Amino acid sequence: DTAVSQTPKYLVTQMGNDKSIKCEQNLGHDTMYWYKQDSKKFLKIMFSYNNKELIINETVPNRFSPKSPDKAHLNLHINSLELGDSAVYFCASSQPITYEQYFGPGTRLTVT
Amino acid sequence: GQQLNQSPQSMFIQEGEDVSMNCTSSSIFNTWLWYKQDPGEGPVLLIALYKAGELTSNGRLTAQFGITRKDSFLNISASIPSDVGIYFCAGQLNAGNMLTFGGGTRLMVKP
Repeated sequence: DTAVSQTPKYLVTQMGNDKSIKCEQNLGHDTMYWYKQDSKKFLKIMFSYNNKELIINETVPNRFSPKSPDKAHLNLHINSLELGDSAVYFCASSQPITYEQYFGPGTRLTVT
Repeated sequence: GQQLNQSPQSMFIQEGEDVSMNCTSSSIFNTWLWYKQDPGEGPVLLIALYKAGELTSNGRLTAQFGITRKDSFLNISASIPSDVGIYFCAGQLNAGNMLTFGGGTRLMVKP
């Protein structure tokens, strides 16, 4: 019954590694997003994606890339992980005609 | 870019008290959203506001969309311990646009 789900819940990895976080939504939404929440709880949009358009926040390093195998999934790939990438990453989804975004439970990424 | 200033940053109140928090923006939004985040969880949508001047309630929560479209307010009446969490405002210019979040208000309720 989970609307937006993410895996894994926790991810601990070393600097330089490449990792992926998966996101799935069963709401039938057309648009999905990735957010980063830092240690001060500040939420910042990283990507907005539907089957027509990818919008990238210009401040996101190109080591981060979203990949969508289908409308219900938007995975986040991160290459060459750095210490500063440690944060909680949230996936969200929405219908294009509404403004309401629904969030997943988050993935806590720790880079050592 | 657009910035949202949310205040207060934190509040420590007694159970039963009313709570008010607000967000102000440097530019206009067409939608204001209020979310609550519990520890270890994602933000959960509480109230969505779509029109300047709109006042909307959800149980003990009431939110208002400012007339200038540059601010919004959230009130919680008769607070209870489960109201504890971080409350975020978020603004959006158009449907499908990215949300801009405020810095959050951390609410603590003393039983």
